This record gives sequence, C-alpha cells and structure tokens, in this order.
Amino acid sequence: EAQVTQNPRYLITVTGKKLTVTCSQNMNHEYMSWYRQDPGLGLRQIYYSMNVEVTDKGDVPEGYKVSRKEKRNFPLILESPSPNQTSLYFCASSLFGLAGGPSLGETQYFGPGTRLLVL
Amino acid sequence: LAKTTQPISMDSYEGQEVNITCSHNNIATNDYITWYQQFPSQGPRFIIQGYKTKVTNEVASLFIPADRKSSTLSLPRVSLSDTAVYYCLVEAMDTGRRALTFGSGTRLQVQP
Repeated sequence: EAQVTQNPRYLITVTGKKLTVTCSQNMNHEYMSWYRQDPGLGLRQIYYSMNVEVTDKGDVPEGYKVSRKEKRNFPLILESPSPNQTSLYFCASSLFGLAGGPSLGETQYFGPGTRLLVL
Repeated sequence: LAKTTQPISMDSYEGQEVNITCSHNNIATNDYITWYQQFPSQGPRFIIQGYKTKVTNEVASLFIPADRKSSTLSLPRVSLSDTAVYYCLVEAMDTGRRALTFGSGTRLQVQP
C-alpha cells in the first residue's frame, strides 16, 4: 500500500531533550516536506527536500533540523525542544520536486501526523 | 509568495451545493491551485487541482477565473461526511525553491 508513515504518533517530552520524528514513504517520491499545524494558523511548512541531499527552509524552520540521506526517509530533529514546539506535525511527499509548468503540478500525500507535547 | 485568504467557517445542509472561495491576489504565472480536505486527527487529503478555467473530478469542481486571483471549490450535494476543514494551496516557484502556501482553512459543518 502506497503511504507515508510517521513515528511516533504521540510523544510527550521535556524541554531540552533531543528527539527525532521519523518519516518514510514507499512511493519513490522525490519531494518530501514537514509541516506543523497549530490552532488558528493552519499548516505551516518547516523544511522541505527537493531530492536526496537537497533540503531547504520553509516558513518556520527555527528550532528544527532535517536530513535526507536516502530518498524514502526524511527525519525531523528537534535538538533542544521548547514548549512553543508543542504542535501537530505532518510529513508529506510528492512525486516531483518542481512545479515548473501547467503539466507538472504535483499533489502531496500526507502522513497520519505526530502529536508532540513539550513540557 | 502568493498568500491565500479563505472564510474561516461555513455551514450547510445535506444535499446542498457548497462553494468555498479562496483569494490569491499575488498568484504567479506558473502557480497551481490545489485544495485539500482534512478530518480531525488525520493528514490533509488531496481533493482537486487546477491551473485555469474549470476542473472537475468525481468529488468536486474547481473554478478559476481568467485573472486567476481567486478560485472556488464546489462540492455538489454535500453529506454529513463532508464535514471537515478545507485548505486552499498555491504551489509556487519562488526564487528557485518550491514554496508552498496554505491558507488558514475553511471549516465546513454539514447539518442533517
């Protein structure tokens, strides 16, 4: 089954304790991305990756790191979590990394989400 | 980046047609417009995507006027299961990177 998986689904941690949220897709997609969702703010992009070894900042990258060593995995790393990073996190992927013309628009497939609470 | 604006919420009844409009005044030539649906505790799910004029699939239609500064998602004959949050997304290439701008979402409540 084609899907995006995230682990863990729920996580409670304390300020400053490093954590990693994994994301994996089995669709051979080039593009992967992380979002956070907060009440009243919709979805905001944290980081994205156009393909292996290529990553870039989204709208809210502060406090987060990512890596893309292989095509299928795109982990999100919080080196020193703080309470303002309490949120619902989604990983997403799409086939191509570029939307370069009318025939190249690509949809994104989202994972089930990871709910993080930082105390 | 093309920012989007949507109504915060809408109410409807089963069997009615629902139209949700998204404003994207700064949309660029190569930008696409995509709509997603999200249920509680789930990731967003693709509904429909378009570039100009009208696009229709098995669940919705998307109307985009000639100036492309807005778009309207049309859901025919909604049911209770269409109660969800709907996001308008403009997919852009901004200074060489793929910039994705989600609107704040429209919460649709369908009543029996």
